[in-house]
Amino acid sequence: EAQVTQNPRYLITVTGKKLTVTCSQNMNHEYMSWYRQDPGLGLRQIYYSMNVEVTDKGDVPEGYKVSRKEKRNFPLILESPSPNQTSLYFCASSLRTSGRTNTQYFGPGTRLTVL
Amino acid sequence: SQQGEEDPQALSIQEGENATMNCSYKTSINNLQWYRQNSGRGLVHLILIRSNEREKHSGRLRVTLDTSKKSSSLLITASRAADTASYFCATGDDKIIFGKGTRLHILP
Repeated sequence: EAQVTQNPRYLITVTGKKLTVTCSQNMNHEYMSWYRQDPGLGLRQIYYSMNVEVTDKGDVPEGYKVSRKEKRNFPLILESPSPNQTSLYFCASSLRTSGRTNTQYFGPGTRLTVL
Repeated sequence: SQQGEEDPQALSIQEGENATMNCSYKTSINNLQWYRQNSGRGLVHLILIRSNEREKHSGRLRVTLDTSKKSSSLLITASRAADTASYFCATGDDKIIFGKGTRLHILP
């Protein structure tokens, strides 16, 4: 089954404790992206990657890191989480044709709470 | 920087009625997408419309795009309880901007 998976689905942590949220897709998509969703703010893009070893900042990259060493995986790293990073996080992937991103397929989300 | 902005923020209609949501954006685009999100879950893609298209249909969904007005609309005809969700528009090819969404509630 074609899908985007995220782990963990729920995470409660404390300020400053490094964490990684994994994202994996099995559709051979070039494009992958991370978003955070907060009440009243909609979805905001954190980072995106157009292919292996190619990543770029979205609208709200501060406090986050990403890497794209393999096509299927795009982990999100919070080196020193803070309470303002408490949010619902989504990973998405998409095929690219003619240099354009197409339909994005979203993972189920990771609800992160930073105390 | 929010590019897509949906209007209205919330909409309640009776089952069977049509629901219309609008999206405005600020800069030129290659495509615009509409997504649905059931409470707290992942987004599901509904329709992608390219900048050279004016209208697109998918089942009970109809999307229009007016590039001169930098706006798009999503029409859901003959609404059902299962259509209760939040609807978002999104623009961009690489850096993607989502609007804040319209919360649609279908009343029985």
